[in-house]
Amino acid sequence: KNQVEQSPQSLIILEGKNCTLQCNYTVSPFSNLRWYKQDTGRGPVSLTIMTFSENTKSNGRYTATLDADTKQSSLHITASQLSDSASYICVVSGTLGRGGSQGNLIFGKGTKLSVKP
Amino acid sequence: EPEVTQTPSHQVTQMGQEVILRCVPISNHLYFYWYRQILGQKVEFLVSFYNNEISEKSEIFDDQFSVERPDGSNFTLKIRSTKLEDSAMYFCASGPRGSSYNEQFFGPGTRLTVL
Repeated sequence: KNQVEQSPQSLIILEGKNCTLQCNYTVSPFSNLRWYKQDTGRGPVSLTIMTFSENTKSNGRYTATLDADTKQSSLHITASQLSDSASYICVVSGTLGRGGSQGNLIFGKGTKLSVKP
Repeated sequence: EPEVTQTPSHQVTQMGQEVILRCVPISNHLYFYWYRQILGQKVEFLVSFYNNEISEKSEIFDDQFSVERPDGSNFTLKIRSTKLEDSAMYFCASGPRGSSYNEQFFGPGTRLTVL
């Protein structure tokens, strides 16, 4: 069964500290993996997208890594800010849909990050 | 910067009533999606739509659900006879043509409350 598992479920850190969030997936076949940031009551916003050939990708203070062999990914946040408080969701895209359309995304439950002053 | 918009932001309805959730995807996007997120749970795929027809749908998307693109800009999700368990945030997303990443841009969501 296609699944995406994330850890930890929640995390509290002090402003200015770094943190790393983990994601394991069993989606097959695999197209790409992305990390989304979701503020409470809002839609997910894409942070990074990686295909199986990409090991790491950065977006400002966010750096994602991908090990397609072990099917693991991580999201590292450096110098955290209060505005980083949100849920961070690992999402895996499987095969494309029929007729050349885009396939659906498989979401993890997310890690709820709280950054305290 | 263009963005996906959704209306209403919050919809309250009685069980058994029909609701229509509306979305305006980013113009020139060709792929459209609906997702839902029950409070405290993960986002779940409902349906994808391309070239005026459903491309994929999940087990959740049963006969009570339908989607439509009535004109060149709107993309709607209809629930014919709402149930209590339909209460959730519903997210619309759209994706551009030729995106090798299956890139999808999400709207802010509609919170549906079924009483």
